[in-house]
Amino acid sequence: ETGVTQTPRHLVMGMTNKKSLKCEQHLGHNAMYWYKQSAKKPLELMFVYSLEERVENNSVPSRFSPECPNSSHLFLHLHTLQPEDSALYLCASSHSHRDRRAEQYFGPGTRLTVT
Amino acid sequence: AQTVTQSQPEMSVQEAETVTLSCTYDTSESNYYLFWYKQPPSRQMILVIRQEAYKQQNATENRFSVNFQKAAKSFSLKISDSQLGDTAMYFCAFNGGSQGNLIFGKGTKLSVKP
Repeated sequence: ETGVTQTPRHLVMGMTNKKSLKCEQHLGHNAMYWYKQSAKKPLELMFVYSLEERVENNSVPSRFSPECPNSSHLFLHLHTLQPEDSALYLCASSHSHRDRRAEQYFGPGTRLTVT
Repeated sequence: AQTVTQSQPEMSVQEAETVTLSCTYDTSESNYYLFWYKQPPSRQMILVIRQEAYKQQNATENRFSVNFQKAAKSFSLKISDSQLGDTAMYFCAFNGGSQGNLIFGKGTKLSVKP
């Protein structure tokens, strides 16, 4: 379970705060993903990076800002969030985002609560 | 649009018995992959099993097997000899688009009772 790590595991922030979520993968993968997991809803893909280049942005509000400085690290910068943004944020990686067969490896998630 | 539907929000099974989780999907693609992922309580999501649409033979991984009915667009997961450690959320997922993105169902919460 140490292939993909995420920090922090829990985060409580006010609506005016700025915080960042961090993800690191130790698997040598080329693709990294951010998902939002809310109760009773399917996982929502937020962003996809391939070799540090963003290849997908699923109409995510601008208060979420991703950053991928290298193929092992992925950040999600948060600012002026809303209470409905409270959720579990999952990071995942795979060897290639275009390989439909590729298994995605998930991190443990960051439980975000916006107050 | 491609969609994945899991019609059973929650299920329970007695230890050592067999349980089947349902999944249907909708797509116009001809080549795609289907997955079942498991998310144990407070633990990371992991792949349980995957199936390629072109393969008629149902995939099997130890106690886990699938019943893939391509014409009916159905992809159910059978867990045999259920164990307490099988307690988890199970997500059905589809990958068939040009972007290679996974599309997930809402999940089924499985409880294995002693």
